[in-house]
Parts: sequence; C-alpha cells; structure tokens
Amino acid sequence: SAVISQKPSRDICQRGTSLTIQCQVDSQVTMMFWYRQQPGQSLTLIATANQGSEATYESGFVIDKFPISRPNLTFSTLTVSNMSPEDSSIYLCSVGGGEEAEQYFGPGTRLTVT
Amino acid sequence: QKEVEQDPGPLSVPEGAIVSLNCTYSNSAFQYFMWYRQYSRKGPELLMYTYSSGNKEDGRFTAQVDKSSKYISLFIRDSQPSDSATYLCAMTLRGSWGKLQFGAGTQVVVTP
Repeated sequence: SAVISQKPSRDICQRGTSLTIQCQVDSQVTMMFWYRQQPGQSLTLIATANQGSEATYESGFVIDKFPISRPNLTFSTLTVSNMSPEDSSIYLCSVGGGEEAEQYFGPGTRLTVT
Repeated sequence: QKEVEQDPGPLSVPEGAIVSLNCTYSNSAFQYFMWYRQYSRKGPELLMYTYSSGNKEDGRFTAQVDKSSKYISLFIRDSQPSDSATYLCAMTLRGSWGKLQFGAGTQVVVTP
C-alpha cells in the first residue's frame, strides 16, 4: 500500500482566510483524490486530481472554493479559500492501489475555522 | 435518503466477543465493497475489500456481501480492546476509481 503524508496535520484559521493542504505519496500515482470528513458525517469526495489536467469536482464543490494543484505524480495540494466556520472539517488525501477496490487514505488535516 | 446507511452506534462489546457491523445501500449498481477502520484523529485504514457477493476472510475479520438484499457485513472475532475504533463501510461502481460512497461509520468499544 502507498504511504501518504499530509501537511499540516491540523490548523486553526480565521474566517475569510485561505489554507493550502499538501499531500505527498511515496510512489507515482495517476489519480489523487481529496475527501472531506465533517463531524458526524460520511466522508465525501471533493475532487479528483490528475497530473497534467484540471481537477474534476463533485457536485456541490467548486474550483473557486477548493482550488487543486497536481504538479507531478506524487504530490497534490488542496486550498480551502475564503474560509467560514462551515469549512471546519478533516480533509483527507487518497490514492488508489493496484486493484480498483483498493483505496488508501492519508492521516488527514484537521481544520478549525473561527 | 442516503445511498449508504450505517448505524453510528456506539456498539459496546466485551473483550473476546464477536463484533457484528453492517451497512445497507440503495444503489444496486455498486460492485466493490470496502471496510475501513479509523482510530481517533487518524485517517481511515483499509481493512478488507470484496468484489461480489459472498464471504471473504482475513484473520479475525470476515466480510460478507449480499447483493440481493443490498446489505454488507463485517464480523470481528475474538475482539480486542485495540479493535476499539470507528468502522466505515464504503462502496463504489465499476470504473469509478477512487470515487467511494461511505457510510457514516459505527463506533465500536471493546471493553476489557
């Protein structure tokens, strides 16, 4: 399985500011995924990040709010822009394994917006 | 209605007991089914995945899928206090790499 690291592990931010979360994988992967885990709720897919192309966003998520970069096959960033308290959540990076049902997650970034 | 339903618990069992977890789903097109374990303040850890109906066993863990009933289960035998965590079910369509639909998770507490 892939080893995934995220930075920062946690942060407390003020309303109206932005935070960029980094995801690093120990092997090259075609697709990287960003999920959100709100308190007491299911993990929800935000977007799929492919190297060399624009990210694909799921319904309810837009690029202006969650811009994503994917400069190479081992790294991606997710920015949470113009934050509000509703953005307080855990943000998780995810990559696939060799089989379609294998999906691995990073340790998450715990974001609190005040 | 959510696509994947999972009882949030908490489910409390004594050490050594069998833990029984389940999820129901509404989309009959789901083909792949996963179970994750998530410790507090950690990311989800993939425990098992299955592709079709039937059982899959890995050590103390057994996963079952009943596609006719749209119901999946995870059993943990000889439970240990270290099994105390939140267990998440997830599922996806064939060809939807990485796009998982998750249940809300069941908190399990194994008491010594």
